[in-house]
Amino acid sequence: GAGVSQSPSNKVTEKGKDVELRCDPISGHTALYWYRQSLGQGLEFLIYFQGNSAPDKSGLPSDRFSAERTGGSVSTLTIQRTQQEDSAVYLCASSSRQRGGRETQYFGPGTRLLVL
Amino acid sequence: AQSVTQLDSQVPVFEEAPVELRCNYSSSVSVYLFWYVQYPNQGLQLLLKYLSGSTLVKGIKGVEAQFNKSQTSFHLRKPSVHISDTAEYFCAVSESGWDYGGSQGNLIFGKGTKLSVKP
Repeated sequence: GAGVSQSPSNKVTEKGKDVELRCDPISGHTALYWYRQSLGQGLEFLIYFQGNSAPDKSGLPSDRFSAERTGGSVSTLTIQRTQQEDSAVYLCASSSRQRGGRETQYFGPGTRLLVL
Repeated sequence: AQSVTQLDSQVPVFEEAPVELRCNYSSSVSVYLFWYVQYPNQGLQLLLKYLSGSTLVKGIKGVEAQFNKSQTSFHLRKPSVHISDTAEYFCAVSESGWDYGGSQGNLIFGKGTKLSVKP
């Protein structure tokens, strides 16, 4: 597709269940970012992939959060044993990342997660 | 570490009036500066970015921003707003990359400014 796509667009789950959020970046973009947007915290960076590697996972809020990227393309963010404070919009962005942070990050529409 | 402060959480303005959205940043290293816009239930769209060179940056949708290094500010301006400009605007910084792999390039965002344009 022409832009970054994310699925599902909305997810309602019960506390304690696991969820998987998917991101399809723009074709050819080597860098992929996950962000979380919540009322209390605003927009916060979670994790960055260059190719299939995530050199720094320190932005993930807890060990219940994990992410992977396969084939240098699709990425999955998994939240285990969801808590109500995980309710937020999860945004994915990709860029060509030719040099540091110069490149424009293109954002997907987000996945709205509600944990009941 | 970097931080971004957007001084106004909400800005109401009448249609066709000018508007300025304020942004200040703090960083111990060189940064790149960005303004993004978010319409309801949508992702973020880049309006403009400052990497280097001229401190007055022009972007899409008729906006411009002035980078002021001494005041560590990057305020966004639009000379005449329309109803369709109603949205949330985010200022962001990223650590400038010096070599491939030297910077992740992740964005640090301000809390956002909700622009409400009234007829």
